[in-house]
Amino acid sequence: DTGVSQDPRHKITKRGQNVTFRCDPISEHNRLYWYRQTLGQGPEFLTYFQNEAQLEKSRLLSDRFSAERPKGSFSTLEIQRTEQGDSAMYLCASSLSGSRETQYFGPGTRLLVL
Amino acid sequence: DAKTTQPPSMDCAEGRAANLPCNHSTISGNEYVYWYRQIHSQGPQYIIHGLKNNETNEMASLIITEDRKSSTLILPHATLRDTAVYYCIEGAGSYQLTFGKGTKLSVIP
Repeated sequence: DTGVSQDPRHKITKRGQNVTFRCDPISEHNRLYWYRQTLGQGPEFLTYFQNEAQLEKSRLLSDRFSAERPKGSFSTLEIQRTEQGDSAMYLCASSLSGSRETQYFGPGTRLLVL
Repeated sequence: DAKTTQPPSMDCAEGRAANLPCNHSTISGNEYVYWYRQIHSQGPQYIIHGLKNNETNEMASLIITEDRKSSTLILPHATLRDTAVYYCIEGAGSYQLTFGKGTKLSVIP
Protein backbone atom coordinates (compact mmCIF):
# COMPACT_ATOMS: atom_id res chain seq x y z
CA ASP A 1 0.00 0.00 0.00
CA THR A 2 1.76 3.17 -1.17
CA GLY A 3 0.06 5.80 0.93
CA VAL A 4 1.42 9.21 1.84
CA SER A 5 4.80 8.94 3.55
CA GLN A 6 6.65 11.53 5.61
CA ASP A 7 10.22 11.71 6.78
CA PRO A 8 11.44 11.98 9.47
CA ARG A 9 8.70 10.82 11.80
CA HIS A 10 10.26 12.63 14.76
CA LYS A 11 12.67 15.54 14.99
CA ILE A 12 14.19 17.19 18.04
CA THR A 13 16.11 20.39 17.44
CA LYS A 14 17.46 23.36 19.35
CA ARG A 15 15.94 26.79 19.04
CA GLY A 16 17.46 28.71 16.16
CA GLN A 17 18.29 25.68 14.03
CA ASN A 18 16.80 25.00 10.61
CA VAL A 19 14.80 21.85 9.92
CA THR A 20 13.45 20.29 6.72
CA PHE A 21 10.68 17.74 6.37
CA ARG A 22 9.85 15.64 3.34
CA CYS A 23 6.49 14.37 2.07
CA ASP A 24 5.96 11.78 -0.64
CA PRO A 25 2.34 11.82 -1.83
CA ILE A 26 0.35 9.00 -3.37
CA SER A 27 1.95 8.65 -6.78
CA GLU A 28 -0.85 9.80 -9.09
CA HIS A 29 -2.03 12.64 -6.84
CA ASN A 30 -1.52 16.11 -8.27
CA ARG A 31 -2.45 18.08 -5.15
CA LEU A 32 -0.40 18.22 -1.96
CA TYR A 33 -1.20 19.94 1.32
CA TRP A 34 0.69 20.78 4.49
CA TYR A 35 -1.05 21.12 7.87
CA ARG A 36 0.19 21.75 11.40
CA GLN A 37 -1.36 20.30 14.54
CA THR A 38 -0.66 21.35 18.10
CA LEU A 39 -1.67 19.41 21.19
CA GLY A 40 -5.42 19.18 21.71
CA GLN A 41 -6.27 20.96 18.47
CA GLY A 42 -7.33 19.79 15.04
CA PRO A 43 -4.95 20.17 12.10
CA GLU A 44 -4.57 23.68 10.66
CA PHE A 45 -3.95 24.32 6.99
CA LEU A 46 -0.56 25.79 6.04
CA THR A 47 -0.19 25.58 2.27
CA TYR A 48 -1.28 23.75 -0.86
CA PHE A 49 0.29 22.79 -4.19
CA GLN A 50 -1.23 21.77 -7.45
CA ASN A 51 1.52 19.99 -9.34
CA GLU A 52 4.58 22.19 -8.73
CA ALA A 53 2.67 25.44 -8.22
CA GLN A 54 2.07 26.70 -4.69
CA LEU A 55 -1.45 28.07 -4.96
CA GLU A 56 -2.42 29.01 -1.44
CA LYS A 57 -0.66 29.90 1.80
CA SER A 58 -2.17 30.41 5.21
CA ARG A 59 -1.24 33.45 7.27
CA LEU A 60 0.11 30.86 9.75
CA LEU A 61 2.96 30.34 7.30
CA SER A 62 5.41 32.96 8.50
CA ASP A 63 8.47 34.11 6.55
CA ARG A 64 10.52 31.48 8.35
CA PHE A 65 8.53 28.73 6.65
CA SER A 66 9.03 27.73 3.03
CA ALA A 67 7.59 24.85 1.07
CA GLU A 68 8.53 23.51 -2.32
CA ARG A 69 7.35 20.85 -4.71
CA PRO A 70 9.95 21.18 -7.46
CA LYS A 71 8.88 18.42 -9.85
CA GLY A 72 5.28 18.08 -8.82
CA SER A 73 5.99 14.92 -6.87
CA PHE A 74 7.53 15.04 -3.38
CA SER A 75 7.45 18.20 -1.30
CA THR A 76 9.67 19.71 1.38
CA LEU A 77 8.75 22.03 4.22
CA GLU A 78 11.60 24.01 5.74
CA ILE A 79 11.49 25.98 8.96
CA GLN A 80 14.33 28.42 9.48
CA ARG A 81 15.46 29.71 12.89
CA THR A 82 13.07 27.42 14.74
CA GLU A 83 11.24 28.71 17.81
CA GLN A 84 9.70 26.76 20.66
CA GLY A 85 6.26 27.69 19.33
CA ASP A 86 7.01 25.70 16.19
CA SER A 87 6.78 22.48 18.20
CA ALA A 88 3.89 20.58 16.63
CA MET A 89 2.94 17.69 14.37
CA TYR A 90 3.40 18.58 10.70
CA LEU A 91 1.03 16.67 8.46
CA CYS A 92 1.07 16.19 4.72
CA ALA A 93 -1.93 15.16 2.63
CA SER A 94 -2.44 14.51 -1.05
CA SER A 95 -5.40 14.25 -3.38
CA LEU A 96 -6.34 13.76 -7.01
CA SER A 97 -8.30 16.69 -8.39
CA GLY A 98 -11.79 15.90 -9.60
CA SER A 99 -15.28 15.27 -8.32
CA ARG A 100 -15.53 13.71 -4.87
CA GLU A 101 -11.90 14.70 -4.27
CA THR A 102 -10.53 13.31 -1.01
CA GLN A 103 -7.39 14.22 0.88
CA TYR A 104 -5.34 11.35 2.30
CA PHE A 105 -2.96 12.10 5.13
CA GLY A 106 0.48 10.83 5.99
CA PRO A 107 1.60 9.80 9.49
CA GLY A 108 3.07 13.22 10.26
CA THR A 109 6.42 14.53 11.49
CA ARG A 110 6.49 15.41 15.16
CA LEU A 111 8.81 18.37 15.84
CA LEU A 112 10.09 19.33 19.26
CA VAL A 113 12.07 22.54 19.57
CA LEU A 114 14.09 22.80 22.77
CA ASP B 1 -12.70 28.66 12.36
CA ALA B 2 -14.49 25.36 11.92
CA LYS B 3 -18.02 25.69 10.64
CA THR B 4 -19.27 22.42 12.13
CA THR B 5 -20.37 21.66 15.69
CA GLN B 6 -19.70 18.32 17.38
CA PRO B 7 -19.98 17.09 20.98
CA PRO B 8 -16.54 17.07 22.61
CA SER B 9 -16.77 13.46 23.76
CA MET B 10 -18.86 10.29 23.63
CA ASP B 11 -18.68 6.78 25.01
CA CYS B 12 -19.83 3.63 23.26
CA ALA B 13 -19.90 0.03 24.44
CA GLU B 14 -17.82 -2.40 22.41
CA GLY B 15 -19.94 -4.18 19.81
CA ARG B 16 -22.66 -1.56 19.83
CA ALA B 17 -23.30 1.03 17.15
CA ALA B 18 -21.59 4.38 17.63
CA ASN B 19 -23.64 7.31 16.35
CA LEU B 20 -21.64 10.53 16.08
CA PRO B 21 -23.64 13.68 15.36
CA CYS B 22 -22.53 16.83 13.57
CA ASN B 23 -24.25 20.14 12.90
CA HIS B 24 -23.31 22.06 9.77
CA SER B 25 -26.08 24.61 9.48
CA THR B 26 -24.14 26.95 7.18
CA ILE B 27 -23.17 24.36 4.59
CA SER B 28 -23.51 25.58 1.01
CA GLY B 29 -24.93 23.67 -1.90
CA ASN B 30 -21.66 22.44 -3.38
CA GLU B 31 -19.98 21.53 -0.10
CA TYR B 32 -19.56 17.94 0.95
CA VAL B 33 -19.58 16.63 4.50
CA TYR B 34 -16.32 14.80 5.22
CA TRP B 35 -15.54 12.59 8.18
CA TYR B 36 -12.02 11.80 9.31
CA ARG B 37 -10.72 10.19 12.45
CA GLN B 38 -7.40 10.45 14.22
CA ILE B 39 -6.07 7.74 16.42
CA HIS B 40 -3.57 8.96 18.99
CA SER B 41 -0.31 10.22 17.45
CA GLN B 42 -1.26 9.19 13.91
CA GLY B 43 -2.31 11.22 10.87
CA PRO B 44 -6.02 11.72 10.18
CA GLN B 45 -7.68 8.79 8.44
CA TYR B 46 -10.39 9.40 5.84
CA ILE B 47 -13.65 7.63 6.66
CA ILE B 48 -16.42 8.75 4.33
CA HIS B 49 -17.98 11.78 2.69
CA GLY B 50 -21.28 12.73 1.08
CA LEU B 51 -23.19 15.57 -0.53
CA LYS B 52 -26.86 14.95 0.13
CA ASN B 53 -27.49 11.23 -0.23
CA ASN B 54 -26.71 8.76 2.51
CA GLU B 55 -23.45 6.92 1.97
CA THR B 56 -22.05 3.61 3.16
CA ASN B 57 -18.64 2.02 2.84
CA GLU B 58 -16.70 -0.71 4.58
CA MET B 59 -15.93 1.53 7.53
CA ALA B 60 -19.12 3.45 8.26
CA SER B 61 -22.43 4.90 7.16
CA LEU B 62 -23.19 8.58 6.76
CA ILE B 63 -26.73 9.83 7.22
CA ILE B 64 -27.35 13.40 6.04
CA THR B 65 -30.61 15.15 6.87
CA GLU B 66 -32.77 16.33 4.01
CA ASP B 67 -32.02 20.00 4.77
CA ARG B 68 -28.30 19.11 4.95
CA LYS B 69 -27.87 20.99 8.20
CA SER B 70 -26.76 17.98 10.16
CA SER B 71 -25.38 14.49 9.71
CA THR B 72 -24.61 11.37 11.70
CA LEU B 73 -21.67 9.04 11.27
CA ILE B 74 -22.52 5.48 12.22
CA LEU B 75 -19.95 2.86 13.12
CA PRO B 76 -22.18 -0.24 13.14
CA HIS B 77 -20.18 -2.44 15.53
CA ALA B 78 -17.65 -0.38 17.45
CA THR B 79 -14.40 -2.04 18.51
CA LEU B 80 -11.68 -0.84 20.85
CA ARG B 81 -9.65 0.15 17.78
CA ASP B 82 -12.33 2.70 16.89
CA THR B 83 -11.32 4.81 19.90
CA ALA B 84 -10.21 8.07 18.28
CA VAL B 85 -11.06 11.71 17.69
CA TYR B 86 -13.66 12.00 14.92
CA TYR B 87 -13.79 15.15 12.81
CA CYS B 88 -16.75 16.32 10.76
CA ILE B 89 -15.74 18.86 8.11
CA GLU B 90 -17.63 20.72 5.42
CA GLY B 91 -15.70 21.44 2.29
CA ALA B 92 -15.74 21.65 -1.44
CA GLY B 93 -13.15 18.93 -1.86
CA SER B 94 -10.15 20.87 -2.91
CA TYR B 95 -8.13 23.38 -0.95
CA GLN B 96 -8.00 23.48 2.77
CA LEU B 97 -9.99 21.35 5.16
CA THR B 98 -10.93 23.30 8.28
CA PHE B 99 -10.80 20.97 11.26
CA GLY B 100 -12.49 21.72 14.57
CA LYS B 101 -11.74 19.90 17.79
CA GLY B 102 -13.85 16.89 16.85
CA THR B 103 -15.51 14.31 19.07
CA LYS B 104 -13.36 12.07 21.22
CA LEU B 105 -15.00 8.65 21.00
CA SER B 106 -14.10 6.15 23.70
CA VAL B 107 -15.13 2.55 23.04
CA ILE B 108 -15.51 0.77 26.36
CA PRO B 109 -15.06 -3.00 26.80
